[in-house]
Amino acid sequence: EPEVTQTPSHQVTQMGQEVILRCVPISNHLYFYWYRQILGQKVEFLVSFYNNEISEKSEIFDDQFSVERPDGSNFTLKIRSTKLEDSAMYFCASAWGPTDTQYFGPGTRLTVL
Amino acid sequence: GENVEQHPSTLSVQEGDSAVIKCTYSDSASNYFPWYKQELGKGPQLIIDIRSNVGEKKDQRIAVTLNKTAKHFSLHITETQPEDSAVYFCAARSGNQFYFGTGTSLTVIP
Repeated sequence: EPEVTQTPSHQVTQMGQEVILRCVPISNHLYFYWYRQILGQKVEFLVSFYNNEISEKSEIFDDQFSVERPDGSNFTLKIRSTKLEDSAMYFCASAWGPTDTQYFGPGTRLTVL
Repeated sequence: GENVEQHPSTLSVQEGDSAVIKCTYSDSASNYFPWYKQELGKGPQLIIDIRSNVGEKKDQRIAVTLNKTAKHFSLHITETQPEDSAVYFCAARSGNQFYFGTGTSLTVIP
């Protein structure tokens, strides 16, 4: 069964550094998403991406964040100048259409020291 | 924006008993309500969903009910098994955004 994959599974970085989280969505899906989950809290929507551009973003997704689909398979989330409060689990998800079921990857645990 | 509340936060049941998890939402325009199961070290996996034009949906031991008037929806798991132990999240779609509940940690005691 096709699945969403994410790398790395765990990323440790120093405050102020840039990180790139990588996702490989399901191959025929067209809509891509990033979510984050701070430990013990809700899963929160960050951004949705379609046709090589952001279609929707939350208030969390400020200028510190950016997304890119650099090639036909990868979907990345870049966090510039990380802060302690960016420590969280980051989930990528993909879907065939905007209202279709979203399939989640296993997540990347980001720890900012 | 949408606000989803989920209860209880933890739930323990004996194997074979039923488990019920409840969620409420605030935005009457929300029209799609998925339920996800998250096992340790994995991402959320969709287990069942319901759209706003349906009141109930069932898939084997799992069922979901939706009350649009009261703005709440529930997950029902019957004949629980130890492998049902996980964290369960409800969500509501408002526009193109999904809003999640805080999760329920379900433990099924053999």
